[in-house]
Amino acid sequence: DIVMTQSPDSLAVSLGERATINCKSSQSLLYSSNNKNYLAWFQQKPGQPPKLLIYWASTRESGVPDRFSGSGSGTDFTLTISSLQAEDVAVYYCQQYYSIPRTFGQGTRLEIK
Amino acid sequence: EVHLAESGGGLVQPGGSLRLSCAASTFSFSSYWMYWVRQAPGRGPEWVSRVDSDGGRTDYADSVKGRFTISRDNVKNTLYLQMNSLSAEDTAVYYCVREMTSLTKFGFDLWGQGTPVTVSS
Repeated sequence: DIVMTQSPDSLAVSLGERATINCKSSQSLLYSSNNKNYLAWFQQKPGQPPKLLIYWASTRESGVPDRFSGSGSGTDFTLTISSLQAEDVAVYYCQQYYSIPRTFGQGTRLEIK
Repeated sequence: EVHLAESGGGLVQPGGSLRLSCAASTFSFSSYWMYWVRQAPGRGPEWVSRVDSDGGRTDYADSVKGRFTISRDNVKNTLYLQMNSLSAEDTAVYYCVREMTSLTKFGFDLWGQGTPVTVSS
């Protein structure tokens, strides 16, 4: 199984400041045939299901604000929120879909400082 | 609006069984791989099982293999999860999830609201 490890476990950032969440996979998520990284980011607010933010490591889902961006390749990935808004308080998960079982990181709790 | 709605969760005793259902609406259900993903209290999501678009291929997490059975009815646009020999470790919210797989998009793009399952005596 591919193990996904996020850092930090929790993060407190001031409104308007940048938030950065890291995700590391135990093996490469880069699929050589199409040069795409099989990595997604989700946002989960209390009482709600996870919401897809980013797929292919860096492609924003429709309707996701452009302050959210994803980067990285291979085994190291980053989710960046360029200017934190109050509504961004949530738990964020990375997930690999390179292989079965699909696996998620342990989550990063993002709060307002 | 595209929609997934789970039902069938509840309180069950250890060793018992439950059957979850997920009704899909306003999209071509029979075109998609469908998944069950669960989330225990205070934990991250955990993939449970998946079924291909016509129901012919299934996969399971090791933790549920031999106890859970996923199936689908493409006429009724419904996904199912039969859960047997339940234990406390199966306590979680169970989500029905669509996996989009196309040349331009790939991922768990549609989730239901979830149905809670509690295994306790």
